[in-house]
Amino acid sequence: SQKIEQNSEALNIQEGKTATLTCNYTNYSPAYLQWYRQDPGRGPVFLLLIRENEKEKRKERLKVTFDTTLKQSLFHITASQPADSATYLCALSKAGNNRKLIWGLGTSLAVNP
Amino acid sequence: GAGVSQSPRYKVAKRGQDVALRCDPISGHVSLFWYQQALGQGPEFLTYFQNEAQLDKSGLPSDRFFAERPEGSVSTLKIQRTQQEDSAVYLCASTHRGVNTGELFFGEGSRLTVL
Repeated sequence: SQKIEQNSEALNIQEGKTATLTCNYTNYSPAYLQWYRQDPGRGPVFLLLIRENEKEKRKERLKVTFDTTLKQSLFHITASQPADSATYLCALSKAGNNRKLIWGLGTSLAVNP
Repeated sequence: GAGVSQSPRYKVAKRGQDVALRCDPISGHVSLFWYQQALGQGPEFLTYFQNEAQLDKSGLPSDRFFAERPEGSVSTLKIQRTQQEDSAVYLCASTHRGVNTGELFFGEGSRLTVL
């Protein structure tokens, strides 16, 4: 079955630097992959969606890449700010059922002023 | 409404009690999902509705879990005879089209604690 691995360790970076989070999967390549942000005690908030035929997607300070050969997606936050501190979740579509998402455990990011 | 609304935000139940969790999706959203999120974990799919039809309930952990959306808007997740392992945050999400075309809009969740 599909397994998703995100950075297991919390990521601590200095304000202004670029944060890079990884999402690796082990089995089939999903039709699409989504990234969400989750703050403590809140529901996830959608950030970006990237499809299997897309290599890169950008939105303001965010960039997502999708490498189906490496079975990996990278999520970058440039010019990071303390307000970017949160848990970031990646979610993959399930083979044969693209209504169902499989989620990673999330990576906790702390941006220090 | 402006966003997905869930109630109650917090629920404490004694083992064996029945609970009902409510989700009010964004007006006009066709698709509605329920997820379960344990502490430190990612959300786990429970069930999916398209309008009033429950198209997928493969994630419901046992027959103690039941979900409905009778009029295609508000949905209720019911857990009968709650057990300690049911303690989790229950998230509801909606989207106006299929999830493969865009984002899921999540509510704040209902945190269930079973004593």
